[in-house]
Amino acid sequence: KAGVTQTPRYLIKTRGQQVTLSCSPISGHRSVSWYQQTPGQGLQFLFEYFSETQRNKGNFPGRFSGRQFSNSRSEMNVSTLELGDSALYLCASRLGMNTEAFFGQGTRLTVV
Amino acid sequence: KNEVEQSPQNLTAQEGEFITINCSYSVGISALHWLQQHPGGGIVSLFMLSSGKKKHGRLIATINIQEKHSSLHITASHPRDSAVYICAAHSNTGNQFYFGTGTSLTVIP
Repeated sequence: KAGVTQTPRYLIKTRGQQVTLSCSPISGHRSVSWYQQTPGQGLQFLFEYFSETQRNKGNFPGRFSGRQFSNSRSEMNVSTLELGDSALYLCASRLGMNTEAFFGQGTRLTVV
Repeated sequence: KNEVEQSPQNLTAQEGEFITINCSYSVGISALHWLQQHPGGGIVSLFMLSSGKKKHGRLIATINIQEKHSSLHITASHPRDSAVYICAAHSNTGNQFYFGTGTSLTVIP
């Protein structure tokens, strides 16, 4: 079956703009979580959605938001981009709350 | 203090060597994951453990719940094992992952 698909793979935005990233989970998976990876901070948890509800949120400012649709696809939005938002954004899907996580290839965002 | 500590940060090995990467965590967990990340970014989940030991090919993962410690072993290492290995603890409260900083492994032919 198809894996976790993230689009776009690469993105360049200007400071102050906003961006929307997409994650399509494995078919049948209802949990989607988002992570930011930077060289300085490593992997950090952003938020997790399960059946269209945000279940948990990491320690990120309100400029970072997300949502999940009825087909379990999820979007992450970052408004008023800052240079420090340049990172690899990864999403992971899981069948349920205590099951194995499967990661996408990530979206590499560069803010200039 | 980080919730998950990994060691070593960097590791260089000769092909064929036995490799061990260690992970200690301070949070209560529902599961401990070992992840592999190759250059380019994609992450692959190698193991999910809640107790004992799991083996997949040349990879072995163990966890000691009482000591809050897990290890990833690679037997007969190969250059294609070169990657960053990340330990991730899935908290049983708050339902989120805490990540180690990763171990960068280079296996030399």
